[in-house]
Order: sequence, then structure tokens, then C-alpha cells
Amino acid sequence: KAGVTQTPRYLIKTRGQQVTLSCSPISGHRSVSWYQQTPGQGLQFLFEYFSETQRNKGNFPGRFSGRQFSNSRSEMNVSTLELGDSALYLCASSLDGMVEKLFFGSGTQLSVL
Amino acid sequence: AQTVTQSQPEMSVQEAETVTLSCTYDTSENNYYLFWYKQPPSRQMILVIRQEAYKQQNATENRFSVNFQKAAKSFSLKISDSQLGDTAMYFCAFMRAQGGSEKLVFGKGTKLTVNP
Repeated sequence: KAGVTQTPRYLIKTRGQQVTLSCSPISGHRSVSWYQQTPGQGLQFLFEYFSETQRNKGNFPGRFSGRQFSNSRSEMNVSTLELGDSALYLCASSLDGMVEKLFFGSGTQLSVL
Repeated sequence: AQTVTQSQPEMSVQEAETVTLSCTYDTSENNYYLFWYKQPPSRQMILVIRQEAYKQQNATENRFSVNFQKAAKSFSLKISDSQLGDTAMYFCAFMRAQGGSEKLVFGKGTKLTVNP
């Protein structure tokens, strides 16, 4: 069974640009969560999608958005990139997002120059 | 709001020895889950062990076990017979058990190095 797949693995952007990251969950999983990991702030929850609906949202500005497709694949978008957006973005999937174990991908390392 | 604190930024242990990683948390919830995740250099977060707050018995998974002290809000991880492959960042995490969508709240992590 394939794991959680995140693409691309590495990304370099400049300030002011926008970026889209992709996450393909484990087959059959309907919940996809996104986390931002930085050395200073650690791991912080961005949002969670279940059956194409955003169920939960973290404390991030509106520049951070996401969506989920009917096949459960999810994308997150960051507009007007800032230097502080440089981070590892991790995606996790689960059957229903709560009690079940979360399975994480290997992340997308975003560098904003 | 829930907070998770890992007071040991870095630790090291000799191969085959035992090491304990500390974690404390703050919550007013009664029903919740606690987790230890491992993040090796590959960056993928791997679940090591999970504890339901309503269970008094400490969770164990092979060489990994926890000491869960609910009243003290403490959740330490013990790694027995440490192996070189245990070298990684270890994160303690908390999740409410309220139904519906819940997020993980992570500590800042402990970098564990297992020396040969």
C-alpha cells in the first residue's frame, strides 16, 4: 500500500510569488491535514480537509489556503510568499482524522529567497 | 489552549542502553490522546507510540514504552536497548478526543543521538 506522497520534495521561490504543494493520501483515507514545521515555531497545524470540506483551521493568515479533491488528494497554496514562509510542509492522512493514526508524508521543503 | 513542553532539546545515549525522553503538557480536557513521533533525517514523521488518556495502563511497543502520569500531566518515552536507527528527532504530541476533526499539538522536539 503506497504511503502519503507529497510533491515536490523541494521548492525554491522568491518573495511575492505564490506556490502550490500537493499531497496524495493513502488509498481509502478521506482526511488530509497540513502542518508547517520551522526551527523556531516547531510544528504547527494549518488545516484539515475531509471529503472535500475544510473541517478545522489553524491560526495562519489568509495567504494560506487549501482544497481537497473528490479523490482525496489535497493541495495547499501560499500566496504572496514571505521569507518567514520558508519551512517544511508536512501532509498527513487518516481514515477520519480523529482517532485513527495519522500517516505522514516526507514533506515539501520550501525555501523563500 | 493546549501546550506541550519537551524540556530536553538534545540527548545522547550509548547503543544498547536505555534512555528516557520527557514530555509535559497542559490541558483542561479530560479525554485526549498523547503520541510520540519520530522524525529521522528522511523527514517523515513516524508514529512510535500512542496513549489514550482514559487508559491507566502505560502503552508499550516493543522497545518503546511510556510512563503516563495523568495527574502530573507527564508523558515520558523510554527507549530500551537503543539502536543506531533510533537516532532522530522525537516529538511529543497531544490531541483532544472531542469528536470530529482534531489537530495535533506538538512539542518542540528532542534530538536523540545513539552513539556506537
